[in-house]
Amino acid sequence: KNEVEQSPQNLTAQEGEFITINCSYSVGISALHWLQQHPGGGIVSLFMLSSGKKKHGRLIATINIQEKHSSLHITASHPRDSAVYICAVRQIGSSNTGKLIFGQGTTLQVKP
Amino acid sequence: NAGVMQNPRHLVRRRGQEARLRCSPMKGHSHVYWYRQLPEEGLKFMVYLQKENIIDESGMPKERFSAEFPKEGPSILRIQQVVRGDSAAYFCASSPGKVDYENYGYTFGSGTRLTVV
Repeated sequence: KNEVEQSPQNLTAQEGEFITINCSYSVGISALHWLQQHPGGGIVSLFMLSSGKKKHGRLIATINIQEKHSSLHITASHPRDSAVYICAVRQIGSSNTGKLIFGQGTTLQVKP
Repeated sequence: NAGVMQNPRHLVRRRGQEARLRCSPMKGHSHVYWYRQLPEEGLKFMVYLQKENIIDESGMPKERFSAEFPKEGPSILRIQQVVRGDSAAYFCASSPGKVDYENYGYTFGSGTRLTVV
């Protein structure tokens, strides 16, 4: 079993829909990242959070440390949101290394 | 601030050749991380470096792979005698010396796509 699991693996939505991508992890963490990757493109860091909730534009990320779970929400989705969304965690004890453990990614397609 | 710069963007090598991938971290960042993304797989940690030091190379294959981050110049990921299985996207990320949890502690480069023919 992977240390970081994302669901769903693939998601198709209609433009305007509210989207939720989930991430569960099995290790103690000091931080969790949500990343975005367009096909053939680079990786953009959307959020880094260690507690609570963060909002940036139409994107909202939440984390529940006790339940070892995080969600990424996209409100009023748009075709340009189509991308792979990746959850990554920084494990406690990795503070000296900073290395991340990644989920497999969720491929989102938003249709017009 | 140009962000994390990786070059080349695309690299084609014949089996047995050497591949050298470069990563210039963001200005002010002294920590560099290399990750590999194999086709149809997720990202995997390879190595973490600070200037002139390898801090954690637990994700590096035992043979043919090496990394450095010299006092001057970019970080280099070097793959000797490449094989088809080395074909992947290699991403570099950088962070400040102390990760600030209130802001983005990590910045990724655009990656180098290595194809071994």
